[in-house]
Amino acid sequence: DQQVKQNSPSLSVQEGRISILNCDYTNSMFDYFLWYKKYPAEGPTFLISISSIKDKNEDGRFTVFLNKSAKHLSLHIVPSQPGDSAVYFCAASVYNTDKLIFGTGTRLQVFP
Amino acid sequence: DGGITQSPKYLFRKEGQNVTLSCEQNLNHDAMYWYRQDPGQGLRLIYYSQIVNDFQKGDIAEGYSVSREKKESFPLTVTSAQKNPTAFYLCASSSPGWEELFFGEGSRLTVL
Repeated sequence: DQQVKQNSPSLSVQEGRISILNCDYTNSMFDYFLWYKKYPAEGPTFLISISSIKDKNEDGRFTVFLNKSAKHLSLHIVPSQPGDSAVYFCAASVYNTDKLIFGTGTRLQVFP
Repeated sequence: DGGITQSPKYLFRKEGQNVTLSCEQNLNHDAMYWYRQDPGQGLRLIYYSQIVNDFQKGDIAEGYSVSREKKESFPLTVTSAQKNPTAFYLCASSSPGWEELFFGEGSRLTVL
C-alpha cells in the first residue's frame, strides 16, 4: 500500500529549462510534505518543504506546489542545472508524528 | 565536523549469518532511524528510536533488531531471519522537525 507515489521513475530535461517532479499521496491525514535530493552513494539531503496550510513554497530555484484537493504536490526547478541531476524523493508525514513516508523517487537527469 | 557515520560502506554476508551495521552520530540528536532502500521502492522504515533505551518497529522490522544504549549510537542487526537482506541501508537522525533529518552515506549489504 503505497501512500506516497512518484509515478515517473525518471525525467530528462535540458539545462536551463524547467524540471517538474510530481508526487501523489493517498492519506488525507498527511499535513507536511518534503522533498529530499539524493546523489549516488550518499544519503538524501533535505531540499524544501511545505505544510498543508500553504499551497506554495519557494526557495531560490526550487518551488513546491501543493494541491490538497487533488492530493498532489510538485517540485519545480527553474532553471535546471546539470548539478541538479539526482534522485528526488517526495516524503509526507502527519505533523508531530514519528513516521515519514517516502515515495519511490524520480531520477532527474539534466543534460547540456 | 558534525554528521552521521555508517560502517561498513559495503558488506558481503553468507546466507544464515547475522550482520551488524553501525551508525554513529555526533549531532546530539535524540531521534535515530534505519531505512532500507530497494530498487523501485521508496525508503522504508525499519526501526526508529526517539530516546536512549527505547525503540519502535517501523514498517518492515521483521528479521531486524536494534539497540539504543547510547544517544550517539543506533546499530542495526540483520538477522538470518530476514528473507531478503540484500539492500542499501540508510541511517538517519533528527532533532524535532523533519527538515533536520540527516542521513548517513549508507551501507550496501549483499548476501551471497
